[in-house]
Amino acid sequence: DVKVTQSSRYLVKRTGEKVFLECVQDMDHENMFWYRQDPGLGLRLIYFSYDVKMKEKGDIPEGYSVSREKKERFSLILESASTNQTSMYLCASSGPVLNSYEQYFGPGTRLTVT
Amino acid sequence: DQQVKQNSPSLSVQEGRISILNCDYTNSMFDYFLWYKKYPAEGPTFLISISSIKDKNEDGRFTVFLNKSAKHLSLHIVPSQPGDSAVYFCAAVYNFNKFYFGSGTKLNVKP
Repeated sequence: DVKVTQSSRYLVKRTGEKVFLECVQDMDHENMFWYRQDPGLGLRLIYFSYDVKMKEKGDIPEGYSVSREKKERFSLILESASTNQTSMYLCASSGPVLNSYEQYFGPGTRLTVT
Repeated sequence: DQQVKQNSPSLSVQEGRISILNCDYTNSMFDYFLWYKKYPAEGPTFLISISSIKDKNEDGRFTVFLNKSAKHLSLHIVPSQPGDSAVYFCAAVYNFNKFYFGSGTKLNVKP
């Protein structure tokens, strides 16, 4: 069965802290994505990666960075958390390239920055 | 500016009737469209998709219609069941990895 897991379901951090959100997929997918979901705005793409060590900015990359050292793992990093980064964060994966439209999502991490 | 819009935040339908969820988009470069379903405390799950070269795709109780001239997408669920109650997101794609999602429509199917 397809599986995308995220390191935490709920996380509370203080303003200015460095935050790591981890995502692991077991489907050998090439593509991995990080989204944030906010009420009334749907899912917005932060970053995606189409291969190990490769990354591309999505629509809202400001304040975030990513790391993909292994194919199965994609990390989202908040260098200095701010209250406007309080949100639900969703990781997804897809692949192979020719059939890569269908994304598989993890359960999400609800991050609260105080 | 949102490129994919779902203008109805919620929809309530009686069990056994048809549910119609709508989605509008602005970018004519989108070449693939998808619908996802999301239950509380879970990530979205893929439901059905359609290529821009088609105008209809059917999978069991779910049918997606695409009207390219109107830049409009709709999902029909017939017959609706209480287990269909969830938030539905439409998504549009180009270059196979440029995904844009709508804000979601919460469907409530009443028994």
